[in-house]
Amino acid sequence: AVQLVESGGGLVQPKESLKISCAASGFTFSNAAMYWVRQAPGKGLEWVARIRTKPNNYATYYADSVKGRFTISRDDSKSMVYLQMDNLKTEDTAMYYCTAGDYGGYPGDWGQGVMVTVSS
Amino acid sequence: DIQMTQSPASLSASLEEIVTITCKASQGIDDYLSWYQQKPGKSPQLLIYDATSLADGVPSRFSGSRSGTQYSLKISRPQVDDSGIYYCLQSYSTTWTFGGGTKLELK
Repeated sequence: AVQLVESGGGLVQPKESLKISCAASGFTFSNAAMYWVRQAPGKGLEWVARIRTKPNNYATYYADSVKGRFTISRDDSKSMVYLQMDNLKTEDTAMYYCTAGDYGGYPGDWGQGVMVTVSS
Repeated sequence: DIQMTQSPASLSASLEEIVTITCKASQGIDDYLSWYQQKPGKSPQLLIYDATSLADGVPSRFSGSRSGTQYSLKISRPQVDDSGIYYCLQSYSTTWTFGGGTKLELK
């Protein structure tokens, strides 16, 4: 069965950095695009970032709200995907979900999420 | 950026009704549209992809359709377990956009 397990969340102060991770198993990780989606408390879903596969040059894309501050990366040898978050703002406070591309690239499998809180 | 306008924001329906949720795209998205269900405290679950295709294990009472740039999710004879929040997602452009969500309550 597909498993996506996020880790690394926590409480940080504004302008600080944090790196969250997602460990994947149960599928051929190197063949799957990977995504991060977040959800602020009591709010809707917001797509954050995505990274494509090696044949697609590991291309990355970001939401305007995080562009220049967040960096998505992957390590196919470890079946891991990461989100480096720099210059964090209070509005980045959210549950962050790792998702795997399926059915031709749609977020088909989701992790349980990791909470990131940005507060002074 | 492509905007996805989802409606209604909330609705209450009976078990005998047909429930319809819509998402209107601000421009053509070539059916790169998926639907998700989220229950309280849980991760979202994929229901529909490519606008009309049912994901594995999703009951056949769920269906998707398109008319122009408006996409619809229909639940025929919903069950109590279908309560939750539903989201659409466009993945046509390089940056993706979710709809604002629809909270469905079944009575």
